[in-house]
Amino acid sequence: GENVEQHPSTLSVQEGDSAVIKCTYSDSASNYFPWYKQELGKRPQLIIDIRSNVGEKKDQRIAVTLNKTAKHFSLHITETQPEDSAVYFCAATTNTGGFKTIFGAGTRLFVKA
Amino acid sequence: GAVVSQHPSRVICKSGTSVKIECRSLDFQATTMFWYRQFPKQSLMLMATSNEGSKATYEQGVEKDKFLINHASLTLSTLTVTSAHPEDSSFYICSARDSGRGTQYFGPGTRLLVL
Repeated sequence: GENVEQHPSTLSVQEGDSAVIKCTYSDSASNYFPWYKQELGKRPQLIIDIRSNVGEKKDQRIAVTLNKTAKHFSLHITETQPEDSAVYFCAATTNTGGFKTIFGAGTRLFVKA
Repeated sequence: GAVVSQHPSRVICKSGTSVKIECRSLDFQATTMFWYRQFPKQSLMLMATSNEGSKATYEQGVEKDKFLINHASLTLSTLTVTSAHPEDSSFYICSARDSGRGTQYFGPGTRLLVL
């Protein structure tokens, strides 16, 4: 089945610096890759997503890149702010024999003021 | 974004009782909903996929007779934890897929504590 690896598990950056989180997936049939931000005790919130026919997508300070050949995708946060501190999950979705989303293990991001 | 509600948000029950959790998509129809379990500081573990009008698909290791799922309408799926035990204590989160946009939205979660 699909497996999603996410690194690093913990990331600490200074306010204003950039943060990069990387994920790899195993199922070449995966075609949709959302990223979620989860604050403590709250639901995961979709922050950005990318489809397999696109290589890069940007939304203000957040960008995601996808390399289908290598089966990896990354989240980039620029000009980080303390409120960016949270757990970020990548995910890979397939629609083969039914729609299914598999999540990475998560990255705990700390942005120090 | 789309709204998914989940009820109750928190429940405490005695061992051996059953607990029902509801998941609703409020502003879109969801033919597919998902139930996840999340332990502290861990990722979301998919338990089962709930399909409207048909049986749920359970992930390996998830007991279908213990975690009963019903998806009776395009906006409602329920998860019933039967004969709950302390090891079932966890954070249960549902999500609903907006088939029009192909995006998955999460409910706020239900924190279950079994004494």
